[in-house]
Amino acid sequence: SAVISQKPSRDICQRGTSLTIQCQVDSQVTMMFWYRQQPGQSLTLIATANQGSEATYESGFVIDKFPISRPNLTFSTLTVSNMSPEDSSIYLCSVGDRGPYTFGSGTRLTVV
Amino acid sequence: AQKITQTQPGMFVQEKEAVTLDCTYDTSDQSYGLFWYKQPSSGEMIFLIYQGSYDEQNATEGRYSLNFQKARKSANLVISASQLGDSAMYFCAMRGGRDDKIIFGKGTRLHILP
Repeated sequence: SAVISQKPSRDICQRGTSLTIQCQVDSQVTMMFWYRQQPGQSLTLIATANQGSEATYESGFVIDKFPISRPNLTFSTLTVSNMSPEDSSIYLCSVGDRGPYTFGSGTRLTVV
Repeated sequence: AQKITQTQPGMFVQEKEAVTLDCTYDTSDQSYGLFWYKQPSSGEMIFLIYQGSYDEQNATEGRYSLNFQKARKSANLVISASQLGDSAMYFCAMRGGRDDKIIFGKGTRLHILP
């Protein structure tokens, strides 16, 4: 299974600012997935990132708020823009080209 | 649309007992996959077991087994001889649809009692 390095692991941000989360995979993968896990909740898919095309967003998530880049087959970023306290969550990336889907260690975001 | 349902928000089980975590799913896809993940308090997502929709045998991985009943659309996780370290959140998930994305159930918080 692929190994994912995600950073930062945590951050505390001021409302109105933006944070970019990075995920680096140790092998080439077709799809990368970004999830949000609000406190005490399950994982909700934000978008699917395919290299060379625009990300596909799930209902309730928009590109202006969560822009995603996928410059190559091993890397992706998710930006949380114009943050509010409601964006305080854990954000995780995931890949699943080979075998079980694996996850990054998560970014714990607190917006104050 | 795909859907995963976990109806047990929390469970308390005595150490060394077996435990079954329920999961039902809904999909119109013929080809799909079912996963179980464990999330301890550290927050990492730990893969436990996988069952493909065409797999005829129930999947097993050590103390974990998946009771797959396709006609009933259920994929229950069975943990044999539970241990204190099994205390965690458990998520059932399904892969399918365009892009092979996976969606998660709401999870079951398992507490193992000494």
